[in-house]
Amino acid sequence: EAAVTQSPRNKVAVTGGKVTLSCNQTNNHNNMYWYRQDTGHGLRLIHYSYGAGSTEKGDIPDGYKASRPSQENFSLILELATPSQTSVYFCASGRQGSNERLFFGHGTKLSVL
Amino acid sequence: GDSVTQTEGLVTVTEGLPVMLNCTYQTAYSDVAFFWYVQYLNEAPKLLLRSSTDNKRTEHQGFHATLHKSSSSFHLQKSSVQLSDSALYYCALRKNQGGSAKLIFGEGTKLTVSS
Repeated sequence: EAAVTQSPRNKVAVTGGKVTLSCNQTNNHNNMYWYRQDTGHGLRLIHYSYGAGSTEKGDIPDGYKASRPSQENFSLILELATPSQTSVYFCASGRQGSNERLFFGHGTKLSVL
Repeated sequence: GDSVTQTEGLVTVTEGLPVMLNCTYQTAYSDVAFFWYVQYLNEAPKLLLRSSTDNKRTEHQGFHATLHKSSSSFHLQKSSVQLSDSALYYCALRKNQGGSAKLIFGEGTKLTVSS
């Protein structure tokens, strides 16, 4: 089973502070994704990447940045965290191709106070 | 744009009875595939089943779904649910776009199986 590891598992941040969520995959997948999960909205795509050095905006990118310094690592950055960004964040990786499945990390629960 | 719609936010079914979770979609792309992911409490979403072939039934863990492009649907069904099927179910479509392949999820349906 492909492995995707997120850190931290839980994070409490203050409004206006900077938050970095990290994701590591050992699957050698080109594609990586950041989603947030909120009741009533499901999983919404924030940013994604198709290889080291690339980042693309997803459906709700405002207030978030992403960084893909290597094939294995993909970070989500909240420069100025707001309470509306309180959520559960999932990282995922997958091979290129529409029929390829994604493998998800266990999620990061972020609370912005 | 592309979208996936799951009309039921919450479905409650008695153990042993059948269930169908609805999923419809909109997309103009032809190179797409469709998925059902399941998420158990405090776990990560994981693949339940997938399909990209029109009118072909796909099955896994007692669940089945058939992609019907004529009606833009990919409903999930099970003939006899178990207590362990209680979970959050997501329908999703994935399309090739440039150098990547986005996965777009519906809002999710929470299935609760009661005894």
